[in-house]
Amino acid sequence: DVKVTQSSRYLVKRTGEKVFLECVQDMDHENMFWYRQDPGLGLRLIYFSYDVKMKEKGDIPEGYSVSREKKERFSLILESASTNQTSMYLCASSYSTVDGELFFGEGSRLTVL
Amino acid sequence: GQNIDQPTEMTATEGAIVQINCTYQTSGFNGLFWYQQHAGEAPTFLSYNVLDGLEEKGRFSSFLSRSKGYSYLLLKELQMKDSASYLCAASNAGKSTFGDGTTLTVKP
Repeated sequence: DVKVTQSSRYLVKRTGEKVFLECVQDMDHENMFWYRQDPGLGLRLIYFSYDVKMKEKGDIPEGYSVSREKKERFSLILESASTNQTSMYLCASSYSTVDGELFFGEGSRLTVL
Repeated sequence: GQNIDQPTEMTATEGAIVQINCTYQTSGFNGLFWYQQHAGEAPTFLSYNVLDGLEEKGRFSSFLSRSKGYSYLLLKELQMKDSASYLCAASNAGKSTFGDGTTLTVKP
């Protein structure tokens, strides 16, 4: 059964803390993505990666960075968490650089106090 | 820029048909995805249209008009389990831009 696994379903962090969100896929997909989902704003793309060591900014990259050291793993990093980064974070992967359906993880709900 | 519009909420009756519309304006466009998302769960793929016309898949069909920047998702024989959010996403070079989603409530 193909899967995208996110390391934490729920996290609570304090303002200023460094936060790591991990995502692993077992489908040998080239492409991986990080979105955040907020009520009334839909899914917004933070960063994506088409290959190992490669990253591209999405629509809202400010305050975030990413790391892709291995094909199956894509990490989202909040260098200094802020309250406006409280959100649901969704990782996804796909198999095609032209077009391929996204396979999503279960999501990580982050609360920054 | 990218702009995807879909209605925020819709309500329909069990057994009926409902059409969820999506309009898009994007700087580049390959195709149009529809995803279903139940509350508290991850989105799951429903359909993908790259050519104009209707694609039918069981109770669900999706339509695309590239010239009009318009798509719709048609759900037939509605069931209670179809209560969910439906996300429209325009894709370009492997990157998808999502609308805000349409929350569909199916009533008995």
